[in-house]
Amino acid sequence: NAGVTQTPKFQVLKTGQSMTLQCAQDMNHEYMSWYRQDPGMGLRLIHYSVGAGITDQGEVPNGYNVSRSTTEDFPLRLLSAAPSQTSVYFCASSSGAFNQPQHFGDGTRLSIL
Amino acid sequence: AQRVTQPEKLLSVFKGAPVELKCNYSYSGSPELFWYVQYSRQRLQLLLRHISRESIKGFTADLNKGETSFHLKKPFAQEEDSAMYYCALSPQGGSEKLVFGKGTKLTVNP
Repeated sequence: NAGVTQTPKFQVLKTGQSMTLQCAQDMNHEYMSWYRQDPGMGLRLIHYSVGAGITDQGEVPNGYNVSRSTTEDFPLRLLSAAPSQTSVYFCASSSGAFNQPQHFGDGTRLSIL
Repeated sequence: AQRVTQPEKLLSVFKGAPVELKCNYSYSGSPELFWYVQYSRQRLQLLLRHISRESIKGFTADLNKGETSFHLKKPFAQEEDSAMYYCALSPQGGSEKLVFGKGTKLTVNP
């Protein structure tokens, strides 16, 4: 039981490049979320999903896309990377609603040059 | 809108001293409050939630609706408590997104 798995762990991109951050969970959780963690800003919600085929925007969605074709996977796409997207990205999942414990992945440290 | 405030970015105490990490929230309904912790090189994990009313690793937190606070306390800090601590709020019912505070970095000195 791996829990929440994020890949890659580290990535360096050039401005304008696109990439996908992968997130997979093996706990059959309905809720999945993407957060970014920045110094002094805490955790900010980017996008979230309450089940396969359903996604919604969080606090800072601009520049990011998500999809949820299966219960297990919730990839985050950067369409055209910008230096302001340099951050640590965390994926989380929970069974049921947001008031259930969130299970986090190890994070992806992303640098945009 | 819901808001969670952790007034201390950094908190430093000596081993064996009491520690209190402050968390204040703004929400008109009945929230559910959580404390998450991130130890060095580890993933974020749930430390405790107010509805459980339990003590984890010696930490306790009481929801004070009058003061809209959910402070995290431990009577005798240990070096292994050094970590980043986040307070989080889930609006009543759990269908709305979780709101995190900006976090407090706790350092316990030997």
